Amino acid sequence: GQQVMQIPQYQHVQEGEDFTTYCNSSTTLSNIQWYKQRPGGHPVFLIQLVKSGEVKKQKRLTFQFGEAKKNSSLHITATQTTDVGTYFCEITYNTNAGKSTFGDGTTLTVKP
Amino acid sequence: ETGVTQTPRHLVMGMTNKKSLKCEQHLGHNAMYWYKQSAKKPLELMFVYNFKEQTENNSVPSRFSPECPNSSHLFLHLHTLQPEDSALYLCASSQDLRNSPLHFGNGTRLTVT
Repeated sequence: GQQVMQIPQYQHVQEGEDFTTYCNSSTTLSNIQWYKQRPGGHPVFLIQLVKSGEVKKQKRLTFQFGEAKKNSSLHITATQTTDVGTYFCEITYNTNAGKSTFGDGTTLTVKP
Repeated sequence: ETGVTQTPRHLVMGMTNKKSLKCEQHLGHNAMYWYKQSAKKPLELMFVYNFKEQTENNSVPSRFSPECPNSSHLFLHLHTLQPEDSALYLCASSQDLRNSPLHFGNGTRLTVT
């Protein structure tokens, strides 16, 4: 299957600092989804990006889809302890065949 | 968020046991999925069903046997598992096959002794 690289694997920040995770693919994507999994919880859908260059915001979270539709980022401004968890991207690279792959996730810890 | 319900939450079984995991979705979705989550591979797709027809089997060993009697229910039958099968098993559903986001259940934490 298609490969997706998600970086970094871990990120430790002081509360109030910013955080960014990146998702990169070698293949042009149909769309990309982002999920958050709290410790001990299950993945919860955050956002879907479909259009080239798309930027979406949810409060302190900003999601971007690259112009070439091969990469995406999730940026959190002024992290809070409630942001702790693992953030996963899910790339969909063949909409008709229903194929998608999850990145390995970025685990964020926030020191108060 | 309890649109997708999984039971049991925790399961401990011996290698010779037979058990089943159950998943039910109340969202009116057409596609359902089984994922395995472990430290080795964070989210590993196992099976995909669309309108209760299996559309994907990701080379899963035959000791895992899925069943989808209708679009709302999904089972994973387990038999003669190995200790390395211990993991969190997550069920998910989506409105359409891969065009729409996944809604996950709380998962079943499986320990094989």
